[in-house]
Amino acid sequence: QTVVTQEPSFSVSPGGTVTLTCGLSSGSVSTSNYPSWYQQTPGQAPRTLIYSTNTRSSGVPDRFSGSILGNKAALTITGAQADDESDYYCVLYVGSGIQVFGGGTKLTVL
Amino acid sequence: EVQLVESGGGLVQPGGSLRLSCAASGLTFSTYWMTWVRQAPGKRLEWVANIREDGSDKYYVDSVKGRFTISRDNAKNSLYLQMNSLRVEDTAVYYCARHSSGWYFGYWGQGTLVTVSS
Repeated sequence: QTVVTQEPSFSVSPGGTVTLTCGLSSGSVSTSNYPSWYQQTPGQAPRTLIYSTNTRSSGVPDRFSGSILGNKAALTITGAQADDESDYYCVLYVGSGIQVFGGGTKLTVL
Repeated sequence: EVQLVESGGGLVQPGGSLRLSCAASGLTFSTYWMTWVRQAPGKRLEWVANIREDGSDKYYVDSVKGRFTISRDNAKNSLYLQMNSLRVEDTAVYYCARHSSGWYFGYWGQGTLVTVSS
């Protein structure tokens, strides 16, 4: 089955910029995979951040942005804050009604 | 305000069955695809199943095909997940989510814990 890859962990300094990526084992990610991104803190339900590659969900600060970088989807956080320390998951649509989550990236802000 | 409330989780023995429910409010339920997503303790989120607005099409992750059945009752604004032949590895928090146009999960419930153990 299709595997969606994410960096297991990443670290960023407060105020810094970080880009998390989301790749596809079978090839390149495109807008046709409708990349979406979710933030999750321990014990909480996920929060929707970005959908359709680069559209921010309602209420999401504009320091979060989505894009396609090369052959991967990307989530960029500009001006990272302490409360951005979370797990981040991407989801890709791979066709035939099937969606696949990445393994998640644990982001540390320090 | 959209609300999704899961119920039906609990402790079940391997090989047993459980039926999860998700009660939806604040949305025109019959016009949205719905989804079940799960998360094993300390593990990643995993998409489990999707169902079309009218229930005519259903899609599953390979690991639950033939064991789990997603269904819905639009008259009751409810989503279900019938889980049979449960395995220890099915232990997880199960979330119900509302699909939005563009293949993403626009709203999430708070989840219900399913524990499969002898």
